[in-house]
Amino acid sequence: ETGVTQTPRHLVMGMTNKKSLKCEQHLGHNAMYWYKQSAKKPLELMFVYNFKEQTENNSVPSRFSPECPNSSHLFLHLHTLQPEDSALYLCASSLLQGDFTTNEKLFFGSGTQLSVL
Amino acid sequence: AQSVTQLDSQVPVFEEAPVELRCNYSSSVSVYLFWYVQYPNQGLQLLLKYLSGSTLVKGINGFEAEFNKSQTSFHLRKPSVHISDTAEYFCAVSPRGRRALTFGSGTRLQVQP
Repeated sequence: ETGVTQTPRHLVMGMTNKKSLKCEQHLGHNAMYWYKQSAKKPLELMFVYNFKEQTENNSVPSRFSPECPNSSHLFLHLHTLQPEDSALYLCASSLLQGDFTTNEKLFFGSGTQLSVL
Repeated sequence: AQSVTQLDSQVPVFEEAPVELRCNYSSSVSVYLFWYVQYPNQGLQLLLKYLSGSTLVKGINGFEAEFNKSQTSFHLRKPSVHISDTAEYFCAVSPRGRRALTFGSGTRLQVQP
């Protein structure tokens, strides 16, 4: 148990559906991340939020819309996805202290396995 | 930009044998280096990281990795593996001054009895 909780664990949606992924952490962290893990491909960073402000958008299509209402919660809103968007979506959090320091690390959730039909 | 290459997609090994998982990276700037492990149906967990100092880094579960700047490598090793080490292992880099990890494609370690 890493302290980062993602819901739902599994999601199946059609290409015209709208759904949201939720991530929650109560570790006192102030940076949150969305990663995409596709089969046979490296983990891809999608978005980074520092202090609720988006600081990284790694050229992610607009059909993925992140929302960070506070430091403990992160959402990924999904709309008109494509079958190639099927993947494991991982949320992570960390304590913002400049760049990575000796005591800092990313804490990952277990992910949401998304299937787009 | 950074890139990470994990040369082996799968590594089968017998229990109690030593193992090395290879990782090479490229970057135009100084980086931090990481190894993460992902057990089935779980998120990633940090095994170890190299920030500075000694090039031999020890992590959890008996793993260690050595940073070789001239070869731009950060190979992961364990002298004796257990069945419970069966998992996917990811090498990652982050440029100093930014908090954006770039991951390799992963190596599946399969420990057989």
